[in-house]
Amino acid sequence: KAGVTQTPRYLIKTRGQQVTLSCSPISGHRSVSWYQQTPGQGLQFLFEYFSETQRNKGNFPGRFSGRQFSNSRSEMNVSTLELGDSALYLCASSLAGARDEQYFGPGTRLTVT
Amino acid sequence: KNEVEQSPQNLTAQEGEFITINCSYSVGISALHWLQQHPGGGIVSLFMLSSGKKKHGRLIATINIQEKHSSLHITASHPRDSAVYICAGGPTNYGGSQGNLIFGKGTKLSVKP
Repeated sequence: KAGVTQTPRYLIKTRGQQVTLSCSPISGHRSVSWYQQTPGQGLQFLFEYFSETQRNKGNFPGRFSGRQFSNSRSEMNVSTLELGDSALYLCASSLAGARDEQYFGPGTRLTVT
Repeated sequence: KNEVEQSPQNLTAQEGEFITINCSYSVGISALHWLQQHPGGGIVSLFMLSSGKKKHGRLIATINIQEKHSSLHITASHPRDSAVYICAGGPTNYGGSQGNLIFGKGTKLSVKP
């Protein structure tokens, strides 16, 4: 069974730009969660999508948004990038949510200059 | 507030040593996840447990529900075990304001040959 894939793997953007990251979950998994990881803050929850609906949201500004498609693939978007958005963005898929085993993608490393 | 506390923060061991990483959690968590993250970012789920003990190769995870404490043990440690180990508390519900993983800060393990 193919694992979770994320594209792109690396991205360099300039302050003020916007970026879209993609996550393809394991086939059959309906839940996709997104996390931001920085050296100072560790892993922080961004949001979770289940069956095309945002089911839970972490404490991030509205510049961070996401969506999920009918095939469970998910995208997250960050608008008006700030230097502090530089981080590793990870997605994880599971059958139905955070009570289930989580399968993580390799991450997208975003650098904002 | 649900919290997950992990110790130690850093750990250096000699090859062959027995290693223990500890994790304490507060109420509102239904299962404990142990995750491994190698340099480069990818996260692998090692265990998910809500009671008792699980073993996979040289890795053993235990959980004590009454004391709200879990441990990850590595027997006969090897340099390839060098990684960051993260424990995460799983929610009691799918979705909702508390329906996401709560992460510890991680333990950086370095095993010297």
